[in-house]
Amino acid sequence: DGGITQSPKYLFRKEGQNVTLSCEQNLNHDAMYWYRQDPGQGLRLIYYSQIVNDFQKGDIAEGYSVSREKKESFPLTVTSAQKNPTAFYLCAAGLAGQLFFGSGTQLSVL
Amino acid sequence: SQQGEEDPQALSIQEGENATMNCSYKTSINNLQWYRQNSGRGLVHLILIRSNEREKHSGRLRVTLDTSKKSSSLLITASRAADTASYFCATRVNQAGTALIFGKGTTLSVSS
Repeated sequence: DGGITQSPKYLFRKEGQNVTLSCEQNLNHDAMYWYRQDPGQGLRLIYYSQIVNDFQKGDIAEGYSVSREKKESFPLTVTSAQKNPTAFYLCAAGLAGQLFFGSGTQLSVL
Repeated sequence: SQQGEEDPQALSIQEGENATMNCSYKTSINNLQWYRQNSGRGLVHLILIRSNEREKHSGRLRVTLDTSKKSSSLLITASRAADTASYFCATRVNQAGTALIFGKGTTLSVSS
């Protein structure tokens, strides 16, 4: 998990609340990604950013938002519009040749 | 959209045996990658095979690619208990983008 720091490791969301997951990298990669993983499932792409101040929706962007103001940072906000947010969230950075992943954030609903 | 599908979903073997996992994908690719995930952790890149390669080795890992069948296999030889993990194949979304699409994975359990 070297180079990609996700925090917090565990996060709890109350009904109607927005929460933000942090992702920081020191690998100097232009591209960063957010994936969601449900139990026993693969990874589904939420958003990705290929360069600062630009990002694209993935397959399941509804109910999520991102920003990319700095190369090192790509925070993900889970909004109240996301009705089923309980999942393991993974941030990654890198190129199509290889992605480097953080250790993940487990989000649960109270 | 699901690009890669691994088979089997779960695999249980004894230490010392070989483990083979398969991946099928739908559209043309530039490369295919395999990743490993230990429970509750992030993914770790294992190996990349390009579309013009048929086989690649890395230590105890052997990856094959058959572009005509749109399939790949990952062979782990002489498995160890420490190989217990989930294994995912991944392909790039499109020619211009860099995002990877992952399959649902194969969960490998190696018992001693």
